[in-house]
Amino acid sequence: ETGVTQSPTHLIKTRGQQVTLRCSSQSGHNTVSWYQQALGQGPQFIFQYYREEENGRGNFPPRFSGLQFPNYSSELNVNALELDDSALYLCASSLDRGKYNEQFFGPGTRLTVL
Amino acid sequence: GQQLNQSPQSMFIQEGEDVSMNCTSSSIFNTWLWYKQDPGEGPVLLIALYKAGELTSNGRLTAQFGITRKDSFLNISASIPSDVGIYFCAGPPHSGSARQLTFGSGTQLTVLP
Repeated sequence: ETGVTQSPTHLIKTRGQQVTLRCSSQSGHNTVSWYQQALGQGPQFIFQYYREEENGRGNFPPRFSGLQFPNYSSELNVNALELDDSALYLCASSLDRGKYNEQFFGPGTRLTVL
Repeated sequence: GQQLNQSPQSMFIQEGEDVSMNCTSSSIFNTWLWYKQDPGEGPVLLIALYKAGELTSNGRLTAQFGITRKDSFLNISASIPSDVGIYFCAGPPHSGSARQLTFGSGTQLTVLP
């Protein structure tokens, strides 16, 4: 069974640029959630995708957007990057019809905005 | 928004000692989850609790879902060096989306040899 994978592992961007982060869900999982984890903090929910549609969103501005593909993989896009966007971005997948709150996390993408 | 308060913020213990940490909220939670995060990795689920009063073990780990549904604790018995990491409580708040997890700010555990 393949776990959740994310790419790239590290990324450096400058203010104002755009970035795309990618996530492949665990085999059999149809739901993907994205979280932002600032240094020294717990993860904060950005949004969730289920069956290719956004299925809940946290307190993040519209410049944070996402996609889910038919194979349940997902992308997180961030436009007009700001310094405060520097964080570890985590993707988590879950089986919606199973233990719905058991989300399995990938290793994350470390984004640094200069 | 919903907040989870974890305590202590950090702990330094001797190998072999038992550890206890807790998580409280001003709001009711239907589920409590405990995760561990190692440096450079994503959080890994340790224990899931689904009923008020539930006590669940996973090896040397034991967690309880508080009767008021506003708190939970995690105990680690006979700590070993690989227990080092950050422990997070998390859950979907009763009034929020069932799929949105709220995380605490974590307890950093250091095990001294």
